[in-house]
Amino acid sequence: GIQVEQSPPDLILQEGANSTLRCNFSDSVNNLQWFHQNPWGQLINLFYIPSGTKQNGRLSATTVATERYSLLYISSSQTTDSGVYFCAVRNSGNTPLVFGKGTRLSVIA
Amino acid sequence: EAQVTQNPRYLITVTGKKLTVTCSQNMNHEYMSWYRQDPGLGLRQIYYSMNVEVTDKGDVPEGYKVSRKEKRNFPLILESPSPNQTSLYFCASSLYGGAVYGYTFGSGTRLTVV
Repeated sequence: GIQVEQSPPDLILQEGANSTLRCNFSDSVNNLQWFHQNPWGQLINLFYIPSGTKQNGRLSATTVATERYSLLYISSSQTTDSGVYFCAVRNSGNTPLVFGKGTRLSVIA
Repeated sequence: EAQVTQNPRYLITVTGKKLTVTCSQNMNHEYMSWYRQDPGLGLRQIYYSMNVEVTDKGDVPEGYKVSRKEKRNFPLILESPSPNQTSLYFCASSLYGGAVYGYTFGSGTRLTVV
């Protein structure tokens, strides 16, 4: 099945700093999503982005489908950005959404 | 508000006592699924449903049952829970199987089996 690798596994930032999270996947996809899991365990959908670029406030994402990677940019980070960021992909038909292991982000004041 | 609603959010139960975790979506999505999240193992799919009366096994279906009698509801049933089913559970739904709009996840159910 499709493999998803995220990097870095852990990231510590000072409040106000910018960061880039990466997701590599091993096959073509028809669905790629970025999620934020907050400290209470909730999975928040950030972007649906199987290709192209999207922006939402301080967050933006780019997926280069032909090169099989996606990037999540966080600018001017805030303590509320802390949590785990997951990339999840699906490549066809009835296959499940496959999650990467996540990037654990800690933003300190 | 478009959402996936799971209940309960937290549950502590004893081994062998049947339980049901409910999941309901108000977006008229035909596709629904259940995942469990465990430390070191990530999120894994338990069961999914492409439409009413159509369900199929995911990667880790043992010990679970599901039903899809109505489009909006997709309950997860543990007939005889065991401690290895202690986990964080998520229900998800989507239109067109996740293409075009992606998946929407519920807030999660933290289950502890003692």
